[in-house]
Order: sequence, then structure tokens, then C-alpha cells
Amino acid sequence: AQSVSQHNHHVILSEAASLELGCNYSYGGTVNLFWYVQYPGQHLQLLLKYFSGDPLVKGIKGFEAEFIKSKFSFNLRKPSVQWSDTAEYFCAVNANSGYSTLTFGKGTMLLVSP
Amino acid sequence: DAEITQSPRHKITETGRQVTLACHQTWNHNNMFWYRQDLGHGLRLIHYSYGVQDTNKGEVSDGYSVSRSNTEDLPLTLESAASSQTSVYFCASSKAGEETQYFGPGTRLLVL
Repeated sequence: AQSVSQHNHHVILSEAASLELGCNYSYGGTVNLFWYVQYPGQHLQLLLKYFSGDPLVKGIKGFEAEFIKSKFSFNLRKPSVQWSDTAEYFCAVNANSGYSTLTFGKGTMLLVSP
Repeated sequence: DAEITQSPRHKITETGRQVTLACHQTWNHNNMFWYRQDLGHGLRLIHYSYGVQDTNKGEVSDGYSVSRSNTEDLPLTLESAASSQTSVYFCASSKAGEETQYFGPGTRLLVL
């Protein structure tokens, strides 16, 4: 079974700082990878996803993520965060086996101070 | 607009009571999922369904059941609520053969 590890439980940044949130997964086969965001009091929304092709994926709101197969990683990045990026971020993996279930990491709470 | 809704949004119940949380989607998605979200655990899969009459157990299915009598709805039942089931519950859906899931607004359940 696959598993997902997110390196940081909490991250605190000032506005305009750069962001990188780590995500590693364990699964030997082909995977689909996702980052979801949950703003305070809201439901999860898809930020970006990787299925195949260019390992650098661009998502909404200036976020991007890079899939590094050799490192089993899918780190999320943003060059300059804003106060409105304060949220919890979840990495998720789907083993590309024809089944649609996702395995989520435990999440990283990002707090951006103005 | 197509959407996914959950009801109630907030629920307080007592231990031992049966509770049913509703999930309704209008996207005509075949796949539906129930998760619980707890601090320090992220989202964990409770049950899922790939279509009418199909149900499957997830990682934390003990004490929960689902039924799928139509495409739009996947109600989640707590047979005998326990304090350990205090959580936020999210329903999600996806198209058949697609992995991107779309989430509902969540139900916050408190079991006293």
C-alpha cells in the first residue's frame, strides 16, 4: 500500500518569502500526485496534479510542484507567498492501478504573517 | 452549477446513537468517497463506492457503513456513535476512470 509523508506539520513565513513544502511517497509503481489546499473553514480544493509528462507542474494561484521520480518526491513551491495563502496543504497520491482512491499526507499548516 | 453538498454541516449527538451523514452530488460522478479529518492524521478514507450497489471499505471503516442506491447519494451511517468518531467528515466524488476528486464542504460531528 502506498503512503505519503509531509515533512513539516507547521510552517510560518512572512509575506513575500519563498515557500517549499516537502512531500514524499512510498510506492514502487506508477503514481498520480496531487496537492490540495484547505483554507480556514473551507473544503479541500485542488491546487495542482501530476499524471505524466513534464515533471514541473503549474497550478492555480502561482503554485507549482516538481515530480522527482528518483526521490519519490513531489514538493510544492511558490516564489512569493501572500497572507491569503494561509491554509493547510495536503499532498496525496493515487497508485495508477485503475483504482481511484487517494492516500493523503497528514498535512502542513502554513501561516503567512503580513 | 453542478456541486457536491453535505448535510448536516454540524451535528451533536450522544454515544450509542445512530447517525447518518448525507452526501449528494449533481455531477453524475460514478465514484464517491468518505473521509474523516483529524488533527495530526490528515484525511483518512472511510468507505468508497465506484457505482450503484458498489461499496468498499477504506482505511478506517470500523463503526461506519455506506449504501449506494443511486448515483447521486452516498450516505454515511455511524451505527453506534462513539466519542472517537468526533471528527470532520468530508465527502468527495470523481468521474469513473479519473483520479481527481472534488470535495464537499464537510460535516463537523461531535459525539458526547
